[in-house]
Amino acid sequence: SQELEQSPQSLIVQEGKNLTINCTSSKTLYGLYWYKQKYGEGLIFLMMLQKGGEEKSHEKITAKLDEKKQQSSLHITASQPSHAGIYLCGADRSFGNEKLTFGTGTRLTIIP
Amino acid sequence: DAGITQSPRYKITETGRQVTLMCHQTWSHSYMFWYRQDLGHGLRLIYYSAAADITDKGEVPDGYVVSRSKTENFPLTLESATRSQTSVYFCASSARTGGLNTEAFFGQGTRLTVV
Repeated sequence: SQELEQSPQSLIVQEGKNLTINCTSSKTLYGLYWYKQKYGEGLIFLMMLQKGGEEKSHEKITAKLDEKKQQSSLHITASQPSHAGIYLCGADRSFGNEKLTFGTGTRLTIIP
Repeated sequence: DAGITQSPRYKITETGRQVTLMCHQTWSHSYMFWYRQDLGHGLRLIYYSAAADITDKGEVPDGYVVSRSKTENFPLTLESATRSQTSVYFCASSARTGGLNTEAFFGQGTRLTVV
């Protein structure tokens, strides 16, 4: 079963609006990665979070890892059509664990 | 060209046939991964490899075999393809620093249909 849960599974947002995608784990996360996938293509790395409370931004996308390191959120400000795609969170669930596993994904649609 | 490439991009095969998906990376990354992507399941890890000749099972390894005789190549073989293995397969590679994965780079995917 998937140990990383993302919500919502799909999201339809009007262009210009803000949105948030969540990634939740039942276990402590030692490394949390956000990727974006355009339809029919491979995954593109967005950012990586390691420390509890850490926050990173890239252009209009901000990601946070909560203090307990069990949940991360991805926030997009003033959404644009280029933000459309599938967002996936990935995780290292223990330090030194070599497996890089992913959540179920969130499909984001931006409507004009 | 530098990067990670998968071949073929598209493959149709019959139930029971053996099929091999190829993955090649030029960065000399030590870690390589195979995932399958299915609607409603996100990306699920099939197998991964920490270095040449070192491989380990992921979340859904049944029905698949991997090998890694060279650092740059990580082929995935379906020994006897089944319809449930119809999926999009992604290969990825990454380095590791301080016990954690660094950015993983993904191939473009192989869309496999088993009929």
